[in-house]
Amino acid sequence: DQQVKQNSPSLSVQEGRISILNCDYTNSMFDYFLWYKKYPAEGPTFLISISSIKDKNEDGRFTVFLNKSAKHLSLHIVPSQPGDSAVYFCALYQGAQKLVFGQGTRLTINP
Amino acid sequence: DAGVTQSPTHLIKTRGQQVTLRCSPISGHKSVSWYQQVLGQGPQFIFQYYEKEERGRGNFPDRFSARQFPNYSSELNVNALLLGDSALYLCASSQGTLYQETQYFGPGTRLLVL
Repeated sequence: DQQVKQNSPSLSVQEGRISILNCDYTNSMFDYFLWYKKYPAEGPTFLISISSIKDKNEDGRFTVFLNKSAKHLSLHIVPSQPGDSAVYFCALYQGAQKLVFGQGTRLTINP
Repeated sequence: DAGVTQSPTHLIKTRGQQVTLRCSPISGHKSVSWYQQVLGQGPQFIFQYYEKEERGRGNFPDRFSARQFPNYSSELNVNALLLGDSALYLCASSQGTLYQETQYFGPGTRLLVL
């Protein structure tokens, strides 16, 4: 059973436009959510997080939105830049330190 | 400051062999977690160690074991390797076991089992 789902394996966006990556989860007990970015041959890099007491968190070009009733979170990147091309994972905490990851979405930013 | 380091970067083994992977956390971090990432999937939690004690275990067979040393570095051991153990093994460190601490990942060890 997949507790965290990223239903889009890939996404292609034009440079300068907005990239929107989506993530759905099944367990309403999850209460802290993170996004990681991964380049080839590197480990995942932390991007941004959000607690369930909030519905939005911003950090520069990155904004994460949380819809608890729909069990859905999204990552908005605006404006998208070529260096944003990577695989993006949403991750949720289950227990103190166990992260549960989605399958990832490969984002490609086209010039 | 150095990030999380892992060794070796790549490894090729044959079925039935044993492998040991190593991880050094960020300086000052006392918690180390191990994840397995197979191709096309997100990382899956294997173990978490804090102050040399196992604090969490994922759904992996007993062939997988780990330990943490007094300097907070860690080793992951996998016995009786199977073809399905071929994956990227990621180590992550965090300062402690406080809930919702950000985990910082190393570059991983890519294991190929033939």
